[in-house]
Amino acid sequence: GNSVTQMEGPVTLSEEAFLTINCTYTATGYPSLFWYVQYPGEGLQLLLKATKADDKGSNKGFEATYRKETTSFHLEKGSVQVSDSAVYFCALRAFGGTSYGKLTFGQGTILTVHP
Amino acid sequence: NAGVTQTPKFQVLKTGQSMTLQCAQDMNHNSMYWYRQDPGMGLRLIYYSASEGTTDKGEVPNGYNVSRLNKREFSLRLESAAPSQTSVYFCALMGILDRGRNEQFFGPGTRLTVL
Repeated sequence: GNSVTQMEGPVTLSEEAFLTINCTYTATGYPSLFWYVQYPGEGLQLLLKATKADDKGSNKGFEATYRKETTSFHLEKGSVQVSDSAVYFCALRAFGGTSYGKLTFGQGTILTVHP
Repeated sequence: NAGVTQTPKFQVLKTGQSMTLQCAQDMNHNSMYWYRQDPGMGLRLIYYSASEGTTDKGEVPNGYNVSRLNKREFSLRLESAAPSQTSVYFCALMGILDRGRNEQFFGPGTRLTVL
């Protein structure tokens, strides 16, 4: 079946540090890949996505590149801010079968950024 | 979270009690989902509904029932709550986010504690 594995957290950084959160996946076919962000007390928001190999998703200074050869979709940001403190989820959506639109999530990575 | 509402926001139950979590949307989308979020496990799909009147099991359906009587509402019922069902529950729906691609919108969540 499909699965997503994220680097274990929590991750603690100082403001303006470089961020990488690793994500690898297992899926049949060619899944779409996503990063969601959850701020404290809120639901999940889509941060960025990529739908095919070598696509780069980007938003709010975050980037992730769909690497089919390494089955990875690592999240990066060059300079984090305190406001980036949140939980980040990597997810995939594989097509086909009966689970229309179903997302498979990684376990989430807690990011805390200190001033 | 615009367009997806969940009630209640918080709930405490005793083992064996029953309750229904409500989810409603005003975005006129067909597909709706119920996920549960547990620490270190990401989000797992409980049930989903591709359209009004249809429902299908996700990864962790045991102990839950759902109802999709109309397009707008998708409810999740716990007939006999157990401590293992302590979790945060998210309703989601599939909608058009940008450039015509369908993505999932998440509600704000219901935090349930079963004693």
